[in-house]
Amino acid sequence: AQSVTQLDSQVPVFEEAPVELRCNYSSSVSVYLFWYVQYPNQGLQLLLKYLSGSTLVKGINGFEAEFNKSQTSFHLRKPSVHISDTAEYFCAVSDNSGYSTLTFGKGTMLLVSP
Amino acid sequence: ETGVTQTPRHLVMGMTNKKSLKCEQHLGHNAMYWYKQSAKKPLELMFVYNFKEQTENNSVPSRFSPECPNSSHLFLHLHTLQPEDSALYLCASSLSSNSYNEQFFGPGTRLTVL
Repeated sequence: AQSVTQLDSQVPVFEEAPVELRCNYSSSVSVYLFWYVQYPNQGLQLLLKYLSGSTLVKGINGFEAEFNKSQTSFHLRKPSVHISDTAEYFCAVSDNSGYSTLTFGKGTMLLVSP
Repeated sequence: ETGVTQTPRHLVMGMTNKKSLKCEQHLGHNAMYWYKQSAKKPLELMFVYNFKEQTENNSVPSRFSPECPNSSHLFLHLHTLQPEDSALYLCASSLSSNSYNEQFFGPGTRLTVL
């Protein structure tokens, strides 16, 4: 079984500043990793995913994440945030058999202020 | 514009009522999911359907009864719910239930049980 830890429940940041949202996972097998975003009153939307290959993954809206197998991490970064990035961000993991379901973290609320 | 719609968006019901949540996807996907989202908790997978067959029931109480008449429609029938069942119920779909596929989420039904 897999598990996901998002240590920060809330991250406040000023507009145009860089941000990193942390995600650590636990698994005894190789994994697929995902970041989803949820804007207010909406469902979740995929930002990016790591399946295999390059450990640096680029997603939509200028976000990127790096898979670090030795540290079992998949932190999300953006070099310069906008007010519109205010949302909740969820990290998720599954084993790479393709047949397991996604396990989500508790989410990190990113609050961008002017 | 999401390809997954959910109705109703808000529902208030008493513990003795019977109601149904509806989900429809217009993406040509073959897998559909029900999730429960409660405050400060990870997203909880409830049910998975792949090609209309239920492939996952995550120990959900029998007061929640899913129905998948075809690959485009998914229902969640509710009866004799408890106040702790109040939450946001999210429907999602994907090309198939393989975990590497992106899941597309609807906006959710906000359920309040009195």
